[in-house]
Amino acid sequence: DQQVKQNSPSLSVQEGRISILNCDYTNSMFDYFLWYKKYPAEGPTFLISISSIKDKNEDGRFTVFLNKSAKHLSLHIVPSQPGDSAVYFCAASPINTGTASKLTFGTGTRLQVTL
Amino acid sequence: DTGVSQNPRHKITKRGQNVTFRCDPISEHNRLYWYRQTLGQGPEFLTYFQNEAQLEKSRLLSDRFSAERPKGSFSTLEIQRTEQGDSAMYLCASSSPGQGISEQYFGPGTRLTVT
Repeated sequence: DQQVKQNSPSLSVQEGRISILNCDYTNSMFDYFLWYKKYPAEGPTFLISISSIKDKNEDGRFTVFLNKSAKHLSLHIVPSQPGDSAVYFCAASPINTGTASKLTFGTGTRLQVTL
Repeated sequence: DTGVSQNPRHKITKRGQNVTFRCDPISEHNRLYWYRQTLGQGPEFLTYFQNEAQLEKSRLLSDRFSAERPKGSFSTLEIQRTEQGDSAMYLCASSSPGQGISEQYFGPGTRLTVT
């Protein structure tokens, strides 16, 4: 049962344009969402997060949008740069006071930014 | 370097052998997580420590797997009687409540190949 889904295995975008990566979730208990970037032979690197009390969070070129009613979030990268080429993972977690929140990951989207 | 470190980076072993991996978290982080990632999948949660206490284990963690975190510092993950299905990337992450509820920082991983 895939609780976090990234339905696009790959995406190719031209340098300077916008990259939009999508993620859907099914578990209503999830209320904290994160995006990680992963290069080959490295561990995932945290990019940006959003809690369910917000619908948008922005950090430089990266913006995450959350639509709770649709159980959908997206990561926008503007402008896209060749160094952004990597696999992007969406992750989700319930917020439980006093307990650690294990992350449930999607299967990833490979972003290729072309010149 | 103050990031999460993992050793070894690569391990090749024969089926039936025991292997042990080590993770050194970011020094001020009291939470430590182990994940496993197979090809084409996102990381899957295995187990979690808060200080030296192992507070949660996934059903993915069979009896052949054991994890420890003596003194609440580094952690080890041991796999006994390895099987070919154990071949994967084993990722360690750490976090601190002061840095956000679920913001976890990952190490580079240990790639295990069972022949």
